[in-house]
Amino acid sequence: NAGVTQTPKFQVLKTGQSMTLQCAQDMNHNSMYWYRQDPGMGLRLIYYSASEGTTDKGEVPNGYNVSRLNKREFSLRLESAAPSQTSVYFCASKPGQGGYEQYFGPGTRLTVT
Amino acid sequence: AQSVTQPDIHITVSEGASLELRCNYSYGATPYLFWYVQSPGQGLQLLLKYFSGDTLVQGIKGFEAEFKRSQSSFNLRKPSVHWSDAAEYFCAVVDTGAGSYQLTFGKGTKLSVIP
Repeated sequence: NAGVTQTPKFQVLKTGQSMTLQCAQDMNHNSMYWYRQDPGMGLRLIYYSASEGTTDKGEVPNGYNVSRLNKREFSLRLESAAPSQTSVYFCASKPGQGGYEQYFGPGTRLTVT
Repeated sequence: AQSVTQPDIHITVSEGASLELRCNYSYGATPYLFWYVQSPGQGLQLLLKYFSGDTLVQGIKGFEAEFKRSQSSFNLRKPSVHWSDAAEYFCAVVDTGAGSYQLTFGKGTKLSVIP
């Protein structure tokens, strides 16, 4: 039982390049989330998926797109990376009912030059 | 909208000393509260949670937290800190009124431990 996994762990992009961050969970959770973490800012929600087939914007969605590929997988895409998107990205998942806590992956550290 | 405030950005304690990390929340209804810990270069690990009932909740690694509605606080405590407790700690509240059940985090408190 790996929990929440993310790939890659590290990535360096040039401004304007695109990439997709991958996230998968094996806990049969319904909801999945993407956050970014910046120094002194805590974690901010980018997008979430309450259930398979649905996605919604969070607090800071500009410059990002997401895909809920199936119940296990939730990807985050940067179409044209900007230096302001340099951050650590965390994926999380939550059970469908009866639980409000979220379980986090190890993160992807992204640098955009 | 809900919010979480962690007044202390950085705290330094000696190993063996007691610890209290402060958290204040703003939320209109009954809050569901969490403490997470993040070791350097790692993801966030759930330490403990408060949903209802007993206002003193126990978590992993010897941590506990006390919910005080009158003070809108959910402070994290540990009687004797170990060097391995050095990490960043985040308090969070979940918005149960929104379909997302998103977590709103405080900005974190970094804990340093002096051997």
